[in-house]
This record gives sequence, C-alpha cells and structure tokens, in this order.
Amino acid sequence: NAGVTQTPKFQVLKTGQSMTLQCAQDMNHNSMYWYRQDPGMGLRLIYYSASEGTTDKGEVPNGYNVSRLNKREFSLRLESAAPSQTSVYFCASSEWLLQPQHFGDGTRLSIL
Amino acid sequence: GENVEQHPSTLSVQEGDSAVIKCTYSDSASNYFPWYKQELGKGPQLIIDIRSNVGEKKDQRIAVTLNKTAKHFSLHITETQPEDSAVYFCAAPSAGTSYGKLTFGQGTILTVHP
Repeated sequence: NAGVTQTPKFQVLKTGQSMTLQCAQDMNHNSMYWYRQDPGMGLRLIYYSASEGTTDKGEVPNGYNVSRLNKREFSLRLESAAPSQTSVYFCASSEWLLQPQHFGDGTRLSIL
Repeated sequence: GENVEQHPSTLSVQEGDSAVIKCTYSDSASNYFPWYKQELGKGPQLIIDIRSNVGEKKDQRIAVTLNKTAKHFSLHITETQPEDSAVYFCAAPSAGTSYGKLTFGQGTILTVHP
C-alpha cells in the first residue's frame, strides 16, 4: 500500500534553476495538495486541486506552479528557484476537500 | 483568517502517563478540527479529527475534546508508549476564506521516556 509517493526525496538547486516535484497517490482521492514546512511556521498550503482538471492557490503560491496531470498525479514546479524556497515540501491527498488525510514523506529542497 | 495557538511546544512524560496538548482557535465558524502526528523524517499522519457537532471523540488510547464556547480543542493520549514520541500538530479551518483552508498550529514535540 504505497499511499502518497513523492519524488525526489532530496534535491539541491542553485538560485535560478527550475525543477518539478512529483507526487502520485493510489487511493483514488479527488483532492490533492502541496504544503511547505518551515521551522517555527508549521505547514502552509501552496496550491491544491479539488479534482482532476482544477487547481487553486493556497496561502503561499508565489513562485510556484502546479499541474494536476490526472487523478493520480499532482506536480509542483519552481520556475526560478530562490533561497527563500528552501524547505520541506509535502504532497497530500484526501477524500474530502481541504481535509488532508494522507501525506507523502516529503521532498527536502535546498536552494543555494 | 484563522489563528491557531498550540501549547505546550514540548512535552516530556514517562511511559504509561497521560499527555494532553491544547489548541485554541479564533474563528467561531470553524467546524473541523484534525490532529496529525509526524515522526522524524516522515510526513504528517492524520490520527483523529472532530467536527463541531460533537464534544468528544475517542479512538483507542487517543481522544479529542472540543469546547466551542471557549474555542479550544485538546488531544489526550493515555497510557503513553515510546512509539508515541513524535511532533503533533492541530489544525482548524478558516471559514472566512473562500476555500476554508486549514491553519496548522506550531506543533508539540512529545517525548515518552521508557
């Protein structure tokens, strides 16, 4: 039972580089989310997708884009990475909108 | 928007003791209150949640209580075990936003000593 799978687990980027974080869930959930977790700031919602074909901004969307490729997959893209985007990124999914149930194990991203 | 305060930030107990973590929220319209457990190097895991139409919910050794008048809710863990050691987060939705996003507390580091 894989649940929510995120790739890569670790990544180091230089300022200005781009990359895409991948997320896939195998629970047939409609809703998917991207959060970032920073020390002392808890989890903050970047973007979410209520269902296949729809995406919406969360609390901290600037500098990010997302794609809901199909029901299983939801990717997060950094077009031009900045040091302020150094964080741990979590993807999550749920049956009910905005009640995230299952989280992946995170992508630890460092931007130099 | 919602303001969620979580206390204490750290909690240390002996195995077998009970642990209580409390969160307060500001939006009286909030109606869904989940608790998450995060182990080192892992993502958060939903362990229990409560909706505003009930005052208490139990699941084996864990329980959550809700006081809507005082706008606080608490996580209770009884007969703690070393494997309960983790960071625990509460959350509450902000009904004032267009999408009712969850606002998370700052987390409580629980350590259970054998």
